[in-house]
This record gives sequence, C-alpha cells and structure tokens, in this order.
Amino acid sequence: KQEVTQIPAALSVPEGENLVLNCSFTDSAIYNLQWFRQDPGKGLTSLLLIQSSQREQTSGRLNASLDKSSGRSTLYIAASQPGDSATYLCAPLSGGYNKLIFGAGTRLAVHP
Amino acid sequence: NAGVTQTPKFRVLKTGQSMTLLCAQDMNHEYMYWYRQDPGMGLRLIHYSVGEGTTAKGEVPDGYNVSRLKKQNFLLGLESAAPSQTSVYFCASNPRATYEQYFGPGTRLTVT
Repeated sequence: KQEVTQIPAALSVPEGENLVLNCSFTDSAIYNLQWFRQDPGKGLTSLLLIQSSQREQTSGRLNASLDKSSGRSTLYIAASQPGDSATYLCAPLSGGYNKLIFGAGTRLAVHP
Repeated sequence: NAGVTQTPKFRVLKTGQSMTLLCAQDMNHEYMYWYRQDPGMGLRLIHYSVGEGTTAKGEVPDGYNVSRLKKQNFLLGLESAAPSQTSVYFCASNPRATYEQYFGPGTRLTVT
C-alpha cells in the first residue's frame, strides 16, 4: 500500500529565502507525481505534474524533482514571498493509476 | 469556464439524515473523483468514475453512494449520515487518469 510522507510538517521563513519541501513514498511503481497548493478554507490548485519518465519540472519560481527509484520528490521554491504561504501537498499516482495518494502536507508561512 | 464547481459549500446534518453533494465540471473531462479531507490524514479517495454511467470504489467508500448519469455531473450521496462523516469533501476531474487533476472548492459538512 502506498504511503506518502512530507517533511517538514510546518515551516516558517522570512521573505526571500529559497525553500525545499520533501516528499517520500513507499511504492516506486508510480505513473506520475503531482504537487498541489491549498490555501486555508480553499480547494487544491495544481502546481506541477512530473511524469515517471521525467527527472524534473519547472514553473516560474517552482522546481520539482523526482527520483522514482528512491521514492522521493522535492519541491524547490526560489525567492519565497508572503503570497507563497499555504499548505503544499504531494500526491503520486499509483495503484491501478486511478488513485492519487496524498501526503499530509507541509504548512508554509513566509513572513515579510 | 467555471472549471469544477460544488454544491453546497456548507451543510450541517443531524445523525441519520441524508443528503446529496453535487459536483459539476464544464471541461468535458471523462474522469471524476470524490475525496474527503480530515485533519492530519490528508485527502482520501471515496469513489471515482471513468466515464458517464460508471462508478468505482476508492479507499474509503463505506457509507457513501455515487452516480454519474451525465458526463458533467458526479453526485455523492450519504444515505444515513454519521458524525464520522464530518469532513471537507472535494471533487476533482481530469480528461484521462494520468493527467493533471483539477479540484473544486470543497463542501464543508458537519454531522451532529
């Protein structure tokens, strides 16, 4: 059974810092992995999707990497801003390829 | 495009009452999903559909039923609500299983 762990659970940083959020998963037989952002009381917004054949994916200040064999993905946020404050969730697609399995998330606070 | 919408946004039920949550998408997606989100447990898949007229069980299907009579709508029913079903419910959709999932804003349900 796929299990997803995100470290750290919470992070508070000053504006301008570069950040790394970690995601690990137990079953490496995944089709892809998706990173989401969730603002308090809101739905999920997709940030990046990395296919299992890819090593990394970039969108603006965000860069996500995937090492399928070791069961790890990282989300790198460059030059963090207060608007980046949210909970970040990773979710590998596995188990019959219809099932996203979510981690509990990393709650990020960026203060001015 | 409105994307994925959910009705209602909030609801309070008494134990034993029934209700139906409606999810609608205007992106002509084949696949639709219902998740629940509970503190400290991440999102878990309840049921999903791979096309009009089809449904399948996810990770936590007990106590819920679903229907997909029209491609754009996916309904989640609670026949006899229990306090354990207090949660935030999210609907999502994508054109194919391995594509990016798009989420609705959520329905906050409290069962007393």
